[in-house]
Amino acid sequence: QVQLQESGPGLVKPSQTLSLSCTVSGDSISGSTYYWSWIRQQPGEGLEWIGYIYYGGNTDYNPSLKSRVIISVDTSKNQFYLRLSSVTAADTAVYYCARGSTGPTFDYWGQGTLVTVSS
Amino acid sequence: SYELTQPPSVSVSPGQTASITCSADKLGDKYVCWYQQKPGQSPVVVIYQDTKRPSGIPERFSGSNSGNTATLTISGTQALDEADYYCQAWDSSTGVVFGGGTKLTVL
Repeated sequence: QVQLQESGPGLVKPSQTLSLSCTVSGDSISGSTYYWSWIRQQPGEGLEWIGYIYYGGNTDYNPSLKSRVIISVDTSKNQFYLRLSSVTAADTAVYYCARGSTGPTFDYWGQGTLVTVSS
Repeated sequence: SYELTQPPSVSVSPGQTASITCSADKLGDKYVCWYQQKPGQSPVVVIYQDTKRPSGIPERFSGSNSGNTATLTISGTQALDEADYYCQAWDSSTGVVFGGGTKLTVL
């Protein structure tokens, strides 16, 4: 059974960089054809795709966030990462990591982690 | 940018059929999937590639996609189907796009 688990600070100061990790179990990131993804949901709002990494390090990002986002992977740890720079209160959200299959369709999700941006 | 439009809310009586729409330009040319999200939980895919149901999803969930509109249909709606539903597609210029979500109320 594939499982994903987000981890990282729950509180980030404005203008700083948000950094999260996603640990994958039950599947190997290395050599897979899946889209290892970050998606967020601001309080009371809908889902927003942040970006993904796939096929040996290729990345695609939401155009609205592209200038601030980096997604990377460490295949030796079977983890992938999100870095979002210059955060503001508008970046307060539950951040999910997810696996995207053909489509992409996000077939496995982490439980989500709430990140609050506040001084 | 490419945008998917959903009605904010849909109400249905138990046992009846609920239909949730998702609209965008030439949406029928793209694959659409649908997610169910209950309060405090992660989304779960209920329909992918327009019409396919993942294993474990009840047969009462079905999907269609043609022209500018994709539709999620829930037949014989049950109280446990009350949730937020999101459509999602992929566009070559925008990437992954989610609809704004529809709150399904079973009353």
